[in-house]
Amino acid sequence: KNQVEQSPQSLIILEGKNCTLQCNYTVSPFSNLRWYKQDTGRGPVSLTIMTFSENTKSNGRYTATLDADTKQSSLHITASQLSDSASYICVVSGKNTGFQKLVFGTGTRLLVSP
Amino acid sequence: GAVVSQHPSRVICKSGTSVKIECRSLDFQATTMFWYRQFPKKSLMLMATSNEGSKATYEQGVEKDKFLINHASLTLSTLTVTSAHPEDSSFYICSARAMSGAAPYEQYFGPGTRLTVT
Repeated sequence: KNQVEQSPQSLIILEGKNCTLQCNYTVSPFSNLRWYKQDTGRGPVSLTIMTFSENTKSNGRYTATLDADTKQSSLHITASQLSDSASYICVVSGKNTGFQKLVFGTGTRLLVSP
Repeated sequence: GAVVSQHPSRVICKSGTSVKIECRSLDFQATTMFWYRQFPKKSLMLMATSNEGSKATYEQGVEKDKFLINHASLTLSTLTVTSAHPEDSSFYICSARAMSGAAPYEQYFGPGTRLTVT
């Protein structure tokens, strides 16, 4: 069964600190993996998208890694800001699935406190 | 960048009435649009896939007569919640898949519509 699991479910960190969110998936065959940031009451916004051959991709203070062999990904947030408080969703797309149906993780809710 | 809008952003309606939510791709054409539903503190659940000019494909357990989807053009899809009940209250999000451009087949999400049925 195609699944995406994220950990931790929730996380509280102090402003300025770094944190790493984890994503494990069983989607096969694999096409790409995306990390989204979703603010409360808003739609998801793409942070990074990685294909099979990519190991790391950065977007400002966000750095995503991908290990396609172990089917694991992480999202590292550097020097956190209050505005980073949101849910972070790992989404995996299967290969050759026509409409590229996305498999969503349950998300990690991050709270950055002052 | 690709922008997807939804209208309205919030709507409150009475039980038994119908509500229409619009999803528009503002600066690109989308042959395929997707409708999701999200419960509090949960992830997005795909409800249906909408293709321009053809009938939508609904996920298992989603009532097609309850959630009417129309994809009349390459930039507009609508979701109509018919005879709404309080249990239909939820956050509805659409996404649109680009046909071409810098990131073809990438999905872009709308900002969501909060539906409250009283």
